[in-house]
Amino acid sequence: GENVEQHPSTLSVQEGDSAVIKCTYSDSASNYFPWYKQELGKRPQLIIDIRSNVGEKKDQRIAVTLNKTAKHFSLHITETQPEDSAVYFCAATFGNEKLTFGTGTRLTIIP
Amino acid sequence: SQTIHQWPATLVQPVGSPLSLECTVEGTSNPNLYWYRQAAGRGLQLLFYSVGIGQISSEVPQNLSASRPQDRQFILSSKKLLLSDSGFYLCAWSVQPSNYGYTFGSGTRLTVV
Repeated sequence: GENVEQHPSTLSVQEGDSAVIKCTYSDSASNYFPWYKQELGKRPQLIIDIRSNVGEKKDQRIAVTLNKTAKHFSLHITETQPEDSAVYFCAATFGNEKLTFGTGTRLTIIP
Repeated sequence: SQTIHQWPATLVQPVGSPLSLECTVEGTSNPNLYWYRQAAGRGLQLLFYSVGIGQISSEVPQNLSASRPQDRQFILSSKKLLLSDSGFYLCAWSVQPSNYGYTFGSGTRLTVV
């Protein structure tokens, strides 16, 4: 069935260090993998995405890597800052109609 | 540009009362529309999605229902709310097919008392 597993559920890193969040998906036909950031009480917002024909994508301090063979993808945040503290969700497409989301990672940046 | 509107922002309702949440999208046509629920500190649970007027797919059996009376309007309803219906309700839209990101509305925080 449709399943996206996300780890860890909570993550604390020192300001300036890197953070890595990992997700695995079950459907080998999935071809689109977005990441969302949700600040407390706010809506989730798309921060980066990757398609299955690409192995890595970078946008300033944020990068996403995809391993289609192993069916896993990861979010990397470098030089973390206090404003990076939030809940992060990965997602994967199942069919052409909907995304399935991971269970979320609460990231805390320690000043 | 496309925008999504969701209201109300907060709602406190007694158990057994009806519910109607509305979501509208501007600046696009024939979008996919979604309703998600998020319990406190939890993940995003897909409740309903729609690929066209009158076409509703239900993901989770519950006392909620959804309707899409117009192309860019999506309504979430209940005839009788339960305490367990409390949560943060998010509407979202995407282009078809959904191999692009969703854009979420600002959400409705529902508390059933």
